[in-house]
Amino acid sequence: NAGVTQTPKFQVLKTGQSMTLQCAQDMNHNSMYWYRQDPGMGLRLIYYSASEGTTDKGEVPNGYNVSRLNKREFSLRLESAAPSQTSVYFCASRLQGNTGELFFGEGSRLTVL
Amino acid sequence: AQSVTQLGSHVSVSEGALVLLRCNYSSSVPPYLFWYVQYPNQGLQLLLKYTTGATLVKGINGFEAEFKKSETSFHLTKPSAHMSDAAEYFCAVRDGNKLVFGAGTILRVKS
Repeated sequence: NAGVTQTPKFQVLKTGQSMTLQCAQDMNHNSMYWYRQDPGMGLRLIYYSASEGTTDKGEVPNGYNVSRLNKREFSLRLESAAPSQTSVYFCASRLQGNTGELFFGEGSRLTVL
Repeated sequence: AQSVTQLGSHVSVSEGALVLLRCNYSSSVPPYLFWYVQYPNQGLQLLLKYTTGATLVKGINGFEAEFKKSETSFHLTKPSAHMSDAAEYFCAVRDGNKLVFGAGTILRVKS
């Protein structure tokens, strides 16, 4: 049982390049989330998908797009990467109707030069 | 909107000493509260949660937290620190479909 799987784990980009972070969960969860983690700032929500077919902005959505491909998969795209997007990105999922706890992937460390 | 404040970005304790990590929340509705732990280069793992009922919540690895409505607090404690407890700890509050996290507290355990 893999839980939440993120790819890639590490990526280095140049300013202006694009890339997509992939996330898949095998727990049949309804909701999926993308957070970014920066030192001293905790985790900040970028986008989330409460259920298949819906997506909503979080606290820091600028510069990102998301796609809920199906119930299992939720991808995060950077169209034109900027150094300010250097961060560790976490995908998480939640079963609708439970008490709200999230299950996290191992993270994707992105560096934008 | 709900929010969380963690007091102290770094806490250092000696092995065997009491661990106390502080968390205060702001919520317009009865809160659901969580503590997560993050070991180096790993994802976040749920330590414990408060939803309703008993205000003293026990979690994994000997940690517990007490919900105090009058103080809007949900502090995390462990009677005796172990070297393996060194990690970053996050307090979070449920806000609708989302979790809002505090800035985190890095716990250092000295031998």
